Amino acid sequence: AQTVTQSQPEMSVQEAETVTLSCTYDTSENNYYLFWYKQPPSRQMILVIRQEAYKQQNATENRFSVNFQKAAKSFSLKISDSQLGDTAMYFCAFMKHDLNFNKFYFGSGTKLNVKP
Amino acid sequence: GAVVSQHPSRVICKSGTSVKIECRSLDFQATTMFWYRQFPKQSLMLMATSNEGSKATYEQGVEKDKFLINHASLTLSTLTVTSAHPEDSSFYICSVWGEDTQYFGPGTRLTVL
Repeated sequence: AQTVTQSQPEMSVQEAETVTLSCTYDTSENNYYLFWYKQPPSRQMILVIRQEAYKQQNATENRFSVNFQKAAKSFSLKISDSQLGDTAMYFCAFMKHDLNFNKFYFGSGTKLNVKP
Repeated sequence: GAVVSQHPSRVICKSGTSVKIECRSLDFQATTMFWYRQFPKQSLMLMATSNEGSKATYEQGVEKDKFLINHASLTLSTLTVTSAHPEDSSFYICSVWGEDTQYFGPGTRLTVL
């Protein structure tokens, strides 16, 4: 079974600074996807970034980047130049790549507070 | 990415009644949709996978007779909570599988009195 662990229930960062959210996972699969989703107070789940396991290059989306360490099964999210609008719950998710089975496994989440 | 809507956004019902929640994929034909449940300050818990034209696949511990799922078209899946009880009060979220990711609806807050 796949498990996803987010060991930081809550974090704070000053506006404009950089913060890193941790995520580890456990799987015996070799081909899979990893995601970070953001859930602001509105509770709408928003895709932040996606990483395919077969790609060695870390994914980047504007101020958001990941540090994907496949051997260590680690997938951390770095947010640069934090903005007040980044305040939200952040969920790490794992998905096994299979045409007939696209089930997501979510971590428990990290609540990020960006302080002015 | 896909745009997903849910209706209603909020619903309050009396104990013992049934409630239907709709999930629509507005710009994408979705053969697979997912239904999640989220309790306050917790992560999303997958309830079932909805497949167009076939029976839904329920996760272990989810009562299929209580949470009826219908995926009659490529753009619509419905979740019916039958004989709702206060413990069914929760936030229900649907998602659509497409383009190698899941796109989520805005959620439905169900309160059972």
